[in-house]
Amino acid sequence: SQQGEEDPQALSIQEGENATMNCSYKTSINNLQWYRQNSGRGLVHLILIRSNEREKHSGRLRVTLDTSKKSSSLLITASRAADTASYFCATGLVENTDKLIFGTGTRLQVFP
Amino acid sequence: GAGVSQSPSNKVTEKGKDVELRCDPISGHTALYWYRQSLGQGLEFLIYFQGNSAPDKSGLPSDRFSAERTGGSVSTLTIQRTQQEDSAVYLCASSLAVAKNIQYFGAGTRLSVL
Repeated sequence: SQQGEEDPQALSIQEGENATMNCSYKTSINNLQWYRQNSGRGLVHLILIRSNEREKHSGRLRVTLDTSKKSSSLLITASRAADTASYFCATGLVENTDKLIFGTGTRLQVFP
Repeated sequence: GAGVSQSPSNKVTEKGKDVELRCDPISGHTALYWYRQSLGQGLEFLIYFQGNSAPDKSGLPSDRFSAERTGGSVSTLTIQRTQQEDSAVYLCASSLAVAKNIQYFGAGTRLSVL
């Protein structure tokens, strides 16, 4: 089963609205990352939050982490059509810091 | 180069043929990862290298899949006797070091097995 699972699987919003994506995971982590993927090609790293952090901001992105609930959320504020992409969470495991385990992804569609 | 380079970008092959996919990581990155992504799906971990060694091959789907990395740089993923279910995008990523595991991805190789 997946270490990370995002919900919703798909999200459609209008430009200017906020988009919230959630990620749940199963085992202990030392960090959690969010990546973006356009058109089924390479992923681009967005933001990393460490297990001892609760919230992090980067531009229009806000990530929260709740290790007690084993969950994270990614908020994109004031969305733009260019934000249309798939978003994946990835967890860095405590027992194996070499690997990231990627979730199933949320497909975000932002309509102009 | 500045980023992770993968070649070919697209590969069409016939069932039963062997294919080799190449990944050239960012210079100086010690860790290299291979993933497979089927249409509309998440990333499936295949294998990773730390230097030239592969501590974790647990994701390789079958013994038809193998990978090597030489000189701590370029890696090749080989699929022997390809099957139609091998059709997917194969993504390669590299990272600077074990403790800083932000991964930088190539654009992928789209493999189609007819």
